Amino acid sequence: DVKVTQSSRYLVKRTGEKVFLECVQDMDHENMFWYRQDPGLGLRLIYFSYDVKMKEKGDIPEGYSVSREKKERFSLILESASTNQTSMYLCASSSQARGYEQYFGPGTRLTVT
Amino acid sequence: QQPVQSPQAVILREGEDAVINCSSSKALYSVHWYRQKHGEAPVFLMILLKGGEQKGHDKISASFNEKKQQSSLYLTASQLSYSGTYFCGTETFTGGGNKLTFGTGTQLKVEL
Repeated sequence: DVKVTQSSRYLVKRTGEKVFLECVQDMDHENMFWYRQDPGLGLRLIYFSYDVKMKEKGDIPEGYSVSREKKERFSLILESASTNQTSMYLCASSSQARGYEQYFGPGTRLTVT
Repeated sequence: QQPVQSPQAVILREGEDAVINCSSSKALYSVHWYRQKHGEAPVFLMILLKGGEQKGHDKISASFNEKKQQSSLYLTASQLSYSGTYFCGTETFTGGGNKLTFGTGTQLKVEL
């Protein structure tokens, strides 16, 4: 059974803290993605990675960075958390071949106070 | 730029049909459809590829008009389990890899 796991389901952090969200997949997928989901705005792509150490900005990268040191792990970093980064964060992975679906993790609900 | 989905929300009685539309301003490699139930992660339903190939769910169908850059998802004889938020994702190639840009979603509720 394919699996994408995320380090926490719920996280509460203070403004200005550095926050790490971790994602691990066990499907040997080349592509990994980070989205944030807010009511009425759908899923918006923050960053994605198509290979180890390779990354590309998505549609809303400001205030975020990522790290992919191993194929199975993709980290999202909030260098200095702000209240407007309170959101649901979803990680996904997929094969690099065209026409393959994305598998999503359960999400991390981050609250920044 | 996010694809535009319509309608934003729809309520059906069990057994009724629904169509959800997705429209993009960009040339597309493929269109993906996902369903998300409340409190859960999005789950894949279907992919429609440029050229006519489709992969996905047996009981759900979809169309992809490449020239108009539009896709529609057809839900027939709806069941209570169809309730959730439906997202289309339009795939574009960035040079480094393929990425999906999701629409804002269509909330579907099926009632008895």
